[in-house]
Amino acid sequence: DAKTTQPTSMDCAEGRAANLPCNHSTISGNEYVYWYRQIHSQGPQYIIHGLKNNETNEMASLIITEDRKSSTLILPHATLRDTAVYYCIGKYSSASKIIFGSGTRLSIRP
Amino acid sequence: EAQVTQNPRYLITVTGKKLTVTCSQNMNHEYMSWYRQDPGLGLRQIYYSMNVEVTDKGDVPEGYKVSRKEKRNFPLILESPSPNQTSLYFCASSKLAGVVDEQFFGPGTRLTVL
Repeated sequence: DAKTTQPTSMDCAEGRAANLPCNHSTISGNEYVYWYRQIHSQGPQYIIHGLKNNETNEMASLIITEDRKSSTLILPHATLRDTAVYYCIGKYSSASKIIFGSGTRLSIRP
Repeated sequence: EAQVTQNPRYLITVTGKKLTVTCSQNMNHEYMSWYRQDPGLGLRQIYYSMNVEVTDKGDVPEGYKVSRKEKRNFPLILESPSPNQTSLYFCASSKLAGVVDEQFFGPGTRLTVL
């Protein structure tokens, strides 16, 4: 599984777009990029995943660079409820193990 | 409601007293896993199971046991707990082990070993 690197913390104003970067320079061709978040010691919550193309769902958008060495999670209109730790992970489709790093602590300013 | 449940949610125990943390999912998922979370270390996988009677070690399996006798349950057993196993534990499940899929996490069990 690819090693991922994320900033330790970020902040964003409420109502603005929150852009969370992730570097995964060792990602291989069939490894997916997953994003999860964890709100204050609750169980992590799945957000989105992608392989090559950009993806969007009701929670967020995922932009993956063409070389797949990095990606950005976009929360289009951040609210106070989006305050959480966000984890970017690389995962093979057939792998069983998932490795979570330290993540990015996102704070939303009112 | 589709969910992963864990019991107990909070537990304080003493060194050496065997304990079991239960995990159950009602989504007919094949894959289940246990993680522990410690400050500054993120989430680390303890054990996982790809299906009934199939289990394998994660990154930090020492001091833990698991079993998967039926699809819905995946208990975590600490035969002789020690203070370094004080942690927040999460159980998770996903539909299939071999495909791209999301994992559903339980609410967590906060364990303190004195």
